[in-house]
Amino acid sequence: RKEVEQDPGPFNVPEGATVAFNCTYSNSASQSFFWYRQDCRKEPKLLMSVYSSGNEDGRFTAQLNRASQYISLLIRDSKLSDSATYLCVVNGEPGQLTFGSGTQLTVLP
Amino acid sequence: DAGVIQSPRHEVTEMGQEVTLRCKPISGHDYLFWYRQTMMRGLELLIYFNNNVPIDDSGMPEDRFSAKMPNASFSTLKIQPSEPRDSAVYFCASSLVGTGGEQYFGPGTRLTVT
Repeated sequence: RKEVEQDPGPFNVPEGATVAFNCTYSNSASQSFFWYRQDCRKEPKLLMSVYSSGNEDGRFTAQLNRASQYISLLIRDSKLSDSATYLCVVNGEPGQLTFGSGTQLTVLP
Repeated sequence: DAGVIQSPRHEVTEMGQEVTLRCKPISGHDYLFWYRQTMMRGLELLIYFNNNVPIDDSGMPEDRFSAKMPNASFSTLKIQPSEPRDSAVYFCASSLVGTGGEQYFGPGTRLTVT
């Protein structure tokens, strides 16, 4: 089993749609969780950290379920500019930061 | 402020040649990470440094790979000899709080070994 698993997609959604991504992780000792965004042929950039209580940043909502070991990202009112690959990132053992393989999102006009 | 700087941006070399990738982290960041990204394996952590000292190199694929950080503002990743399967995008990233916080990635070096 991979340490961090994501549905690779692709997710193709119309503008204005709501889309949700899930990610599961295998290490129950993991303490830090993030969503990164990577545009085509660019470097990954932090989208948001994921806190136990859940957190929201504008149209983006991240949630953590420790009992089931999964993380979610919800994007509301999708924009064309949201098209990218979304990477789930988990910090497990000290010094180990593991990236999921990414979920590709395309928002269509 | 300048972000993480990597050079070269693109490198094409022949199998068996030595390749050196360079990275300048963000000033003041005390952690530096080297990653490799391929379609097949995604983004993999190769090695990371704290205060110029290598902490974990368990992700380095084999002895052909080596990394150094002679000072706080410079690091290199060397592949000798290079092989076609080393073709990938190599990212350098830096951060203030190790792997528990945000990492800032450089633009990457796209390496092609023929």
